[in-house]
Amino acid sequence: NAGVTQTPKFQVLKTGQSMTLQCAQDMNHEYMSWYRQDPGMGLRLIHYSVGAGITDQGEVPNGYNVSRSTTEDFPLRLLSAAPSQTSVYFCASSPHTSRRQSSYNEQFFGPGTRLTVL
Amino acid sequence: GENVEQHPSTLSVQEGDSAVIKCTYSDSASNYFPWYKQELGKRPQLIIDIRSNVGEKKDQRIAVTLNKTAKHFSLHITETQPEDSAVYFCAARRGISSGSARQLTFGSGTQLTVLP
Repeated sequence: NAGVTQTPKFQVLKTGQSMTLQCAQDMNHEYMSWYRQDPGMGLRLIHYSVGAGITDQGEVPNGYNVSRSTTEDFPLRLLSAAPSQTSVYFCASSPHTSRRQSSYNEQFFGPGTRLTVL
Repeated sequence: GENVEQHPSTLSVQEGDSAVIKCTYSDSASNYFPWYKQELGKRPQLIIDIRSNVGEKKDQRIAVTLNKTAKHFSLHITETQPEDSAVYFCAARRGISSGSARQLTFGSGTQLTVLP
C-alpha cells in the first residue's frame, strides 16, 4: 500500500492563480480530510468528507473547494490564491465513519504540500 | 465547537529526563484523545491515543493520562532520547453518537528538544 499520497510536494503561485492539490489513498478509507499547518497554530481543518459524494466544511474553509467523486481521491482546489494561503497542506484519511463502528481510528497523514503564494 | 489548548509551546529537557506536555479541551462530548509526533519536514504520526473510558495508557516510554472531570490530558515521555526531539500535537474528537463526523481538533503543538 502506498498509503496517503499528495502531489505536488512544493508549489509557488502568484496571487489570483488557481490550482488543485491532489490527495489519494489506497486503503479504502471512508473519511478524508484536508488540514493546513501554520507556525504556532497547529493543524486546522479545511474540509472533510465522510464518503464519496459527501463533503463538509471544517474550521477554515474560505477560499477552498473540495469534491469526492471516488473513495480514493479528495482534491483541494484553491480558487484564487492569496498570500494568506501560504502554508503546508496535509491530507489525511481514516477507516470508518459508521455509527455502528465503536472503535476509534487513527488518521493517516500524507507527506504534505508546501505552498507559497507571492 | 471544540477548543484544545496545549502547553508549553516549547520544552527543552536533558537526555534521560522526563517530559510532560499538557492539553485541555472544552467539549465534554469529546471521548478520543490522540497524540501525534511530527519530525522536521515530515508528516504527523500517531504515537499514542486514549479513550475516555480509561484514565491512563502506557506504551514503553510513553504514557498518556486523562482527567475527564477537569477536561485535561497529558503526554509523559520518560528517559528521553535525542530522537524524541520533534513537535508533538494533542487532539480531541467527539464520539460518533454525538452526531458529528470524525473530526479532530488539534492543539497548537509543543516543540520538544532533548539536549544530549
